[in-house]
Amino acid sequence: DAGITQSPRHKVTETGTPVTLRCHQTENHRYMYWYRQDPGHGLRLIHYSYGVKDTDKGEVSDGYSVSRSKTEDFLLTLESATSSQTSVYFCATGGRGSSYEQYFGPGTRLTVT
Amino acid sequence: RKEVEQDPGPFNVPEGATVAFNCTYSNSASQSFFWYRQDCRKEPKLLMSVYSSGNEDGRFTAQLNRASQYISLLIRDSKLSDSATYLCVVNAPDSWGKLQFGAGTQVVVTP
Repeated sequence: DAGITQSPRHKVTETGTPVTLRCHQTENHRYMYWYRQDPGHGLRLIHYSYGVKDTDKGEVSDGYSVSRSKTEDFLLTLESATSSQTSVYFCATGGRGSSYEQYFGPGTRLTVT
Repeated sequence: RKEVEQDPGPFNVPEGATVAFNCTYSNSASQSFFWYRQDCRKEPKLLMSVYSSGNEDGRFTAQLNRASQYISLLIRDSKLSDSATYLCVVNAPDSWGKLQFGAGTQVVVTP
């Protein structure tokens, strides 16, 4: 498995506050992804990065921003958290050679009250 | 219509039995297919890639049917530890590096 860590692992925050989630990888994978997982929806892509400072939107990007200043770190920021952003957030890495395989971090459980 | 559709289950399987389930995908241009396994409250983990000719990994067999746009997973001699949700995953042909995930099929293996 890729060495992927996420922090924090659990967070409870109030509506309207900004929140930043961190993903760190040690595998030097070019691509990094942020997903959210909610019951009945499966994994949905929020944003992804195909290199340092190169990012693009996924299917559910509204209310989220990302930054990637180093190959190993990918940050997800909820600019003003809402209750609809209560979810489990997974980071993933990929882009090893020509393979589409992705490897996931342990996830962050975020509750917005 | 969802790009990747799966029967959510649960499939209740006696230990030692065989279980099989499918998923369908909507984009005929997709080229890469995977099964991931996800345990409760854990991250998805790659179980196996699915190749055009079909492939086997121990008790697990994956098949691809391009004409009908579905892939299948068969688990033989089910173990209690096979209880999990199995995610069907397909590449998004319009954008390199992006995957499309099904919502998962839950399998419960009972003693």
